[in-house]
Amino acid sequence: EIVLTQSPATLSVSPGERATLSCRASQSVSSYLAWYQQKRGQAPRLLIDDASNRATGIPARFSGSGSGTDFTLTISSLEPEDFAVYYCQQRSNWPLTFGGGTKVEVK
Amino acid sequence: EVQLVESGGGLVQPGGSLRLSCAASGFSFSTYSMNWVRQAPGKGLEWVSYISSSSSTIYYADSVKGRFTISRDNAKNSLYLQVNSLRAEDTAVYYCASGGWISWGQGTLVTVSS
Repeated sequence: EIVLTQSPATLSVSPGERATLSCRASQSVSSYLAWYQQKRGQAPRLLIDDASNRATGIPARFSGSGSGTDFTLTISSLEPEDFAVYYCQQRSNWPLTFGGGTKVEVK
Repeated sequence: EVQLVESGGGLVQPGGSLRLSCAASGFSFSTYSMNWVRQAPGKGLEWVSYISSSSSTIYYADSVKGRFTISRDNAKNSLYLQVNSLRAEDTAVYYCASGGWISWGQGTLVTVSS
Protein backbone atom coordinates (compact mmCIF):
# COMPACT_ATOMS: atom_id res chain seq x y z
CA GLU A 1 0.00 0.00 0.00
CA ILE A 2 1.27 3.44 -0.93
CA VAL A 3 1.41 5.78 2.05
CA LEU A 4 0.89 9.49 1.45
CA THR A 5 2.34 11.86 4.03
CA GLN A 6 1.04 15.42 4.04
CA SER A 7 2.80 18.31 5.67
CA PRO A 8 2.33 20.38 7.60
CA ALA A 9 -0.65 19.02 9.50
CA THR A 10 -1.82 22.58 10.13
CA LEU A 11 -0.87 25.71 8.21
CA SER A 12 -1.68 29.12 9.68
CA VAL A 13 -1.92 31.74 6.95
CA SER A 14 -3.38 35.22 6.63
CA PRO A 15 -5.88 36.03 3.87
CA GLY A 16 -4.05 37.20 0.77
CA GLU A 17 -0.93 35.21 1.60
CA ARG A 18 0.45 32.24 -0.29
CA ALA A 19 -0.03 28.71 1.01
CA THR A 20 2.17 25.78 0.07
CA LEU A 21 1.06 22.25 0.97
CA SER A 22 3.17 19.14 0.55
CA CYS A 23 2.31 15.50 -0.18
CA ARG A 24 4.99 12.82 -0.24
CA ALA A 25 4.39 9.26 -1.46
CA SER A 26 6.15 6.18 -0.09
CA GLN A 27 6.84 5.09 -3.67
CA SER A 28 6.42 6.64 -7.08
CA VAL A 29 2.87 7.38 -8.19
CA SER A 30 4.02 8.99 -11.44
CA SER A 31 1.55 11.86 -11.96
CA TYR A 32 -1.49 9.96 -10.67
CA LEU A 33 -2.09 12.31 -7.79
CA ALA A 34 -5.14 14.42 -6.98
CA TRP A 35 -5.90 17.17 -4.47
CA TYR A 36 -9.22 17.78 -2.71
CA GLN A 37 -10.62 20.51 -0.54
CA GLN A 38 -13.07 19.69 2.23
CA LYS A 39 -14.98 22.17 4.32
CA ARG A 40 -16.68 21.24 7.58
CA GLY A 41 -19.84 19.24 7.02
CA GLN A 42 -19.32 19.00 3.26
CA ALA A 43 -18.14 16.35 0.83
CA PRO A 44 -14.66 16.71 -0.61
CA ARG A 45 -14.27 18.76 -3.79
CA LEU A 46 -11.78 17.81 -6.48
CA LEU A 47 -9.29 20.62 -7.09
CA ILE A 48 -6.41 19.12 -9.04
CA ASP A 49 -6.15 15.95 -11.12
CA ASP A 50 -3.07 14.22 -12.51
CA ALA A 51 -0.82 16.32 -10.28
CA SER A 52 -1.28 19.62 -12.10
CA ASN A 53 -4.60 19.80 -13.97
CA ARG A 54 -7.21 22.03 -12.38
CA ALA A 55 -10.67 20.51 -12.28
CA THR A 56 -13.52 22.30 -14.00
CA GLY A 57 -14.48 25.52 -12.24
CA ILE A 58 -11.47 25.63 -9.92
CA PRO A 59 -9.95 29.12 -9.65
CA ALA A 60 -6.52 29.75 -11.12
CA ARG A 61 -5.09 30.59 -7.68
CA PHE A 62 -4.95 26.82 -7.07
CA SER A 63 -2.04 25.05 -8.74
CA GLY A 64 -0.45 21.65 -8.39
CA SER A 65 3.03 20.43 -9.23
CA GLY A 66 5.30 17.45 -8.83
CA SER A 67 5.71 13.91 -10.02
CA GLY A 68 7.05 10.65 -8.69
CA THR A 69 7.01 10.96 -4.91
CA ASP A 70 6.90 14.69 -4.15
CA PHE A 71 3.92 16.93 -4.83
CA THR A 72 2.86 20.44 -3.95
CA LEU A 73 -0.46 22.27 -3.87
CA THR A 74 -0.08 26.03 -3.97
CA ILE A 75 -2.78 28.56 -3.25
CA SER A 76 -1.33 31.80 -4.55
CA SER A 77 -3.43 34.26 -2.55
CA LEU A 78 -5.78 32.88 0.07
CA GLU A 79 -9.39 33.92 -0.10
CA PRO A 80 -11.67 33.59 2.97
CA GLU A 81 -13.40 30.58 1.40
CA ASP A 82 -10.10 28.69 1.04
CA PHE A 83 -9.72 27.97 4.75
CA ALA A 84 -10.43 24.25 4.86
CA VAL A 85 -8.78 20.84 5.00
CA TYR A 86 -6.88 19.62 1.95
CA TYR A 87 -6.21 15.99 1.05
CA CYS A 88 -4.02 14.37 -1.56
CA GLN A 89 -4.95 11.02 -3.14
CA GLN A 90 -2.94 8.62 -5.26
CA ARG A 91 -4.59 6.66 -8.06
CA SER A 92 -1.48 4.87 -9.27
CA ASN A 93 -1.94 1.62 -7.37
CA TRP A 94 -4.71 -0.30 -5.65
CA PRO A 95 -5.69 0.24 -2.94
CA LEU A 96 -6.21 3.92 -3.57
CA THR A 97 -4.98 5.95 -0.62
CA PHE A 98 -5.41 9.44 0.79
CA GLY A 99 -3.00 11.52 2.79
CA GLY A 100 -3.85 12.49 6.33
CA GLY A 101 -4.78 16.04 5.38
CA THR A 102 -3.53 19.58 5.93
CA LYS A 103 -5.77 22.04 7.72
CA VAL A 104 -5.35 25.59 6.44
CA GLU A 105 -6.46 27.97 9.16
CA VAL A 106 -6.62 31.69 9.63
CA LYS A 107 -3.52 33.17 11.22
CA GLU B 1 -27.18 18.80 -12.89
CA VAL B 2 -25.17 15.84 -11.62
CA GLN B 3 -26.50 14.47 -8.35
CA LEU B 4 -25.46 11.60 -6.13
CA VAL B 5 -27.70 10.89 -3.15
CA GLU B 6 -26.72 8.32 -0.54
CA SER B 7 -29.13 6.60 1.81
CA GLY B 8 -29.36 3.59 4.07
CA GLY B 9 -27.14 4.65 6.93
CA GLY B 10 -28.15 4.43 10.57
CA LEU B 11 -27.39 3.00 13.97
CA VAL B 12 -26.53 -0.68 13.99
CA GLN B 13 -25.14 -3.06 16.61
CA PRO B 14 -21.70 -4.64 16.23
CA GLY B 15 -21.96 -7.62 13.91
CA GLY B 16 -24.96 -6.15 12.15
CA SER B 17 -25.55 -5.29 8.50
CA LEU B 18 -26.78 -2.45 6.35
CA ARG B 19 -27.24 -1.80 2.65
CA LEU B 20 -26.12 1.62 1.54
CA SER B 21 -27.48 3.05 -1.68
CA CYS B 22 -26.38 5.86 -3.96
CA ALA B 23 -28.90 7.21 -6.47
CA ALA B 24 -27.33 8.93 -9.46
CA SER B 25 -28.88 11.44 -11.83
CA GLY B 26 -27.83 14.04 -14.37
CA PHE B 27 -25.15 11.99 -16.08
CA SER B 28 -24.71 8.74 -17.97
CA PHE B 29 -24.29 6.53 -14.90
CA SER B 30 -23.78 3.32 -16.86
CA THR B 31 -20.60 4.64 -18.49
CA TYR B 32 -18.84 5.65 -15.26
CA SER B 33 -16.97 3.64 -12.70
CA MET B 34 -17.92 4.45 -9.11
CA ASN B 35 -16.32 4.46 -5.69
CA TRP B 36 -17.23 4.44 -2.01
CA VAL B 37 -15.14 6.52 0.38
CA ARG B 38 -15.67 6.84 4.12
CA GLN B 39 -14.69 9.29 6.81
CA ALA B 40 -14.73 8.44 10.50
CA PRO B 41 -15.80 11.29 12.80
CA GLY B 42 -13.05 13.89 12.98
CA LYS B 43 -10.73 11.79 10.81
CA GLY B 44 -9.46 11.76 7.25
CA LEU B 45 -10.74 10.13 4.08
CA GLU B 46 -10.48 6.39 3.46
CA TRP B 47 -11.19 4.80 0.09
CA VAL B 48 -13.41 1.74 0.55
CA SER B 49 -14.32 0.18 -2.79
CA TYR B 50 -14.38 0.60 -6.58
CA ILE B 51 -16.61 -0.86 -9.28
CA SER B 52 -16.16 -0.46 -13.01
CA SER B 53 -18.99 0.67 -15.27
CA SER B 54 -19.91 -2.90 -16.25
CA SER B 55 -19.21 -4.38 -12.78
CA SER B 56 -16.48 -6.51 -14.32
CA THR B 57 -13.76 -5.07 -12.09
CA ILE B 58 -14.12 -4.60 -8.34
CA TYR B 59 -11.61 -3.65 -5.67
CA TYR B 60 -11.82 -3.31 -1.90
CA ALA B 61 -9.70 -1.83 0.85
CA ASP B 62 -8.13 -4.54 2.99
CA SER B 63 -10.01 -3.19 6.01
CA VAL B 64 -13.38 -4.18 4.49
CA LYS B 65 -12.51 -7.11 2.24
CA GLY B 66 -14.73 -10.11 2.92
CA ARG B 67 -17.28 -8.01 4.83
CA PHE B 68 -18.42 -5.38 2.31
CA THR B 69 -19.82 -5.97 -1.18
CA ILE B 70 -20.13 -3.30 -3.84
CA SER B 71 -22.64 -3.62 -6.65
CA ARG B 72 -24.58 -1.49 -9.10
CA ASP B 73 -27.76 -1.55 -11.15
CA ASN B 74 -27.24 0.52 -14.29
CA ALA B 75 -30.91 0.22 -15.21
CA LYS B 76 -31.79 1.94 -11.94
CA ASN B 77 -28.84 4.37 -11.96
CA SER B 78 -27.91 3.09 -8.53
CA LEU B 79 -24.80 2.04 -6.65
CA TYR B 80 -24.87 -0.12 -3.53
CA LEU B 81 -22.64 -1.15 -0.67
CA GLN B 82 -23.68 -4.13 1.42
CA VAL B 83 -21.89 -3.82 4.73
CA ASN B 84 -21.83 -6.90 6.96
CA SER B 85 -20.14 -7.93 10.20
CA LEU B 86 -19.94 -4.29 11.21
CA ARG B 87 -17.41 -3.15 13.78
CA ALA B 88 -17.11 0.01 15.84
CA GLU B 89 -14.28 1.15 13.57
CA ASP B 90 -16.66 1.12 10.58
CA THR B 91 -18.48 4.10 12.09
CA ALA B 92 -18.17 6.82 9.47
CA VAL B 93 -19.87 8.95 6.89
CA TYR B 94 -19.95 6.95 3.67
CA TYR B 95 -19.72 8.88 0.41
CA CYS B 96 -20.24 7.66 -3.11
CA ALA B 97 -18.11 9.35 -5.75
CA SER B 98 -18.13 9.12 -9.52
CA GLY B 99 -15.25 7.54 -11.37
CA GLY B 100 -13.97 10.94 -12.41
CA TRP B 101 -14.01 11.98 -8.73
CA ILE B 102 -15.68 15.26 -9.59
CA SER B 103 -19.09 14.34 -8.25
CA TRP B 104 -19.69 13.26 -4.66
CA GLY B 105 -22.82 12.64 -2.67
CA GLN B 106 -23.55 14.33 0.65
CA GLY B 107 -22.81 11.14 2.56
CA THR B 108 -24.75 8.79 4.81
CA LEU B 109 -23.73 8.17 8.42
CA VAL B 110 -23.22 4.65 9.68
CA THR B 111 -22.88 4.32 13.44
CA VAL B 112 -21.90 0.97 14.90
CA SER B 113 -22.61 0.83 18.60
CA SER B 114 -24.34 -1.32 21.17
